[in-house]
Amino acid sequence: QVQLVESGGGVVQPGKSLRLSCAASGFTFRRYAMHWVRQAPGKGPEWLAVISYDGSKERYAASLGGRFSISRDNSRNTLSLQMNSLTKDDTAIYYCVKEGLDVVTIDVHYYFDYWGQGTLVTVPS
Amino acid sequence: QSALTQPASLSGSPGQSITISCNGSNREFDYNYISWSQHRPGKAPKVLIYDVTSRLSGVSHRFSGSKSGNTASLTISGLQSEDEADYYCSSFTSSGAHVVFGGGTKLTVL
Repeated sequence: QVQLVESGGGVVQPGKSLRLSCAASGFTFRRYAMHWVRQAPGKGPEWLAVISYDGSKERYAASLGGRFSISRDNSRNTLSLQMNSLTKDDTAIYYCVKEGLDVVTIDVHYYFDYWGQGTLVTVPS
Repeated sequence: QSALTQPASLSGSPGQSITISCNGSNREFDYNYISWSQHRPGKAPKVLIYDVTSRLSGVSHRFSGSKSGNTASLTISGLQSEDEADYYCSSFTSSGAHVVFGGGTKLTVL
């Protein structure tokens, strides 16, 4: 069965950096685009970034201002999110999410089919 | 302010049916890429519906999706206590934001 396991969350001081990882299993990782989505306390989910199945293309939410970077290692079935210059507004649960269709362009998002359980990032004010 | 608008809360009794609405603009609804997910505390969110009406494998037939104009709907029939959760709609958008979510609907099973 599909498993997405995030790690790397924790308490980080404002202005610092943090790197999140997602270990994927149960599907052919290299065939699917992957996303990061976060959910702040009491708010709806917010899409952050997507990376193509082969890692050649990325897209980001404009609100991130270039502070985050998504990457993947298809040889290790791992997705990562590098987060820089963190502020209290980045406090959220961060989810690794799988695109539903394989080997498709990331110019369009079709649907998510699996989410991880998330990892909590806390940036104190 | 979410790009997709949902009612903040709904409630129903076991056995009843409820419908959650999701309103957006042409930038989302010109495409049939509307999805619905169920979020429970401490659990991985679960995708229920994609492409407006398609059920993900293994999802109960009690969950169904529809669309009319710029409003999508998730209907849950035969409400069960385990359906108590937060429900979110999401969609691809041509606005440049790529993927947008609704603000969520908290469903209470009385």
